[in-house]
Amino acid sequence: EAGVAQSPRYKIIEKRQSVAFWCNPISGHATLYWYQQILGQGPKLLIQFQNNGVVDDSQLPKDRFSAERLKGVDSTLKIQPAKLEDSAVYLCASSSGAGQGTYNEQFFGPGTRLTVL
Amino acid sequence: AQSVAQPEDQVNVAEGNPLTVKCTYSVSGNPYLFWYVQYPNRGLQFLLKYITGDNLVKGSYGFEAEFNKSQTSFHLKKPSALVSDSALYFCAAFFLYGNNRLAFGKGNQVVVIP
Repeated sequence: EAGVAQSPRYKIIEKRQSVAFWCNPISGHATLYWYQQILGQGPKLLIQFQNNGVVDDSQLPKDRFSAERLKGVDSTLKIQPAKLEDSAVYLCASSSGAGQGTYNEQFFGPGTRLTVL
Repeated sequence: AQSVAQPEDQVNVAEGNPLTVKCTYSVSGNPYLFWYVQYPNRGLQFLLKYITGDNLVKGSYGFEAEFNKSQTSFHLKKPSALVSDSALYFCAAFFLYGNNRLAFGKGNQVVVIP
């Protein structure tokens, strides 16, 4: 079974530039997550999709971050404009389902390491 | 609010010695508890989980963890550490009927010394 795919693996940009990350979840997984992992910290959830609907984006800085999951499969996360403090690893994860009263294991992609200069 | 604490920054252990990575949690109700491992330039890999049942949970690569409700702890253990166990370990908690978010600890760097 193929795992969660992410691209690019590394990205270096200057502050105020834009960047986009792509994620392809495990086939059949309805739930997709984007996490931000800053060096020395655990992953922090940015946004959770159930199929193509947003379940939780309460921790997404909406003034500069956006995400979409068209057709309920692939997803893109965009930062526009980037700030120095956005330097982090952005992890995508998927699971077969999630909701109140249920939990299914999350499978993580390799991540995209973003450096903002 | 649910939170996970991993009190140590780095755990150093000699190869062949027992390895323990500590985790405590703060949630109201019964949490689901997880351990993940992260190797350099790789995503998080699932090691084991506690949902219900036996307090001692066995997982991948010879790791196990013990759920202790009275101490709100879920320490990760391995009887005999290998150099290849050197990695970053994350404890995480999920609370049913809470905010439906997996809360991660800050992680512990484990260094196994040959």
